[in-house]
Amino acid sequence: GESVGLHLPTLSVQEGDNSIINCAYSNSASDYFIWYKQESGKGPQFIIDIRSNMDKRQGQRVTVLLNKTVKHLSLQIAATQPGDSAVYFCAERSGGTSYGKLTFGQGTILTVHP
Amino acid sequence: DTEVTQTPKHLVMGMTNKKSLKCEQHMGHRAMYWYKQKAKKPPELMFVYSYEKLSINESVPSRFSPECPNSSLLNLHLHALQPEDSALYLCASSQFPRTAGAQAFFGQGTRLTVV
Repeated sequence: GESVGLHLPTLSVQEGDNSIINCAYSNSASDYFIWYKQESGKGPQFIIDIRSNMDKRQGQRVTVLLNKTVKHLSLQIAATQPGDSAVYFCAERSGGTSYGKLTFGQGTILTVHP
Repeated sequence: DTEVTQTPKHLVMGMTNKKSLKCEQHMGHRAMYWYKQKAKKPPELMFVYSYEKLSINESVPSRFSPECPNSSLLNLHLHALQPEDSALYLCASSQFPRTAGAQAFFGQGTRLTVV
């Protein structure tokens, strides 16, 4: 299940299940969103991105959905595998500047049980 | 080559030491970033370089001094750090201008411990 509190939100799933990781962003002027995966001891790894003029984008086993009305982003992972276990961060890029400043959300720990 | 390389991977330094973190990319990216990440927290932006010029400083203390000698290299000079500065320091780069669909590529980070 999923819990939110003083600690990072966590999501535990069984191998083969579909996973949905959620993210609320704060800046209505953000024009570009990215999902990153970070494994222990490593830097964030790009998964998928979406521009603000889209509401859905699909990659290999992953789908990102964007709801600008409620400023909500989700990452869906199909047929989750143990290698998907990691911390997942959403990041938003500020609009209205030319600097590409990325701001990260709090992250969700995904644990996949074999 | 889609790598961002950071050295060293680990660094232990005393509060009176001076050290430098190094970052290198050969993707032709013209924006480079330093982030700081504490355990179980998201990366926090420190500095942004755009075309080798400092474009964003997120009110970082002066004991952290960034430098961008050329379009492929980014350094972070450290002096008189505090134990609370211990963290994972991440370098990233992205294409520029921003309209190029520019996701940032991250290095593996330097694990810094200040004693």
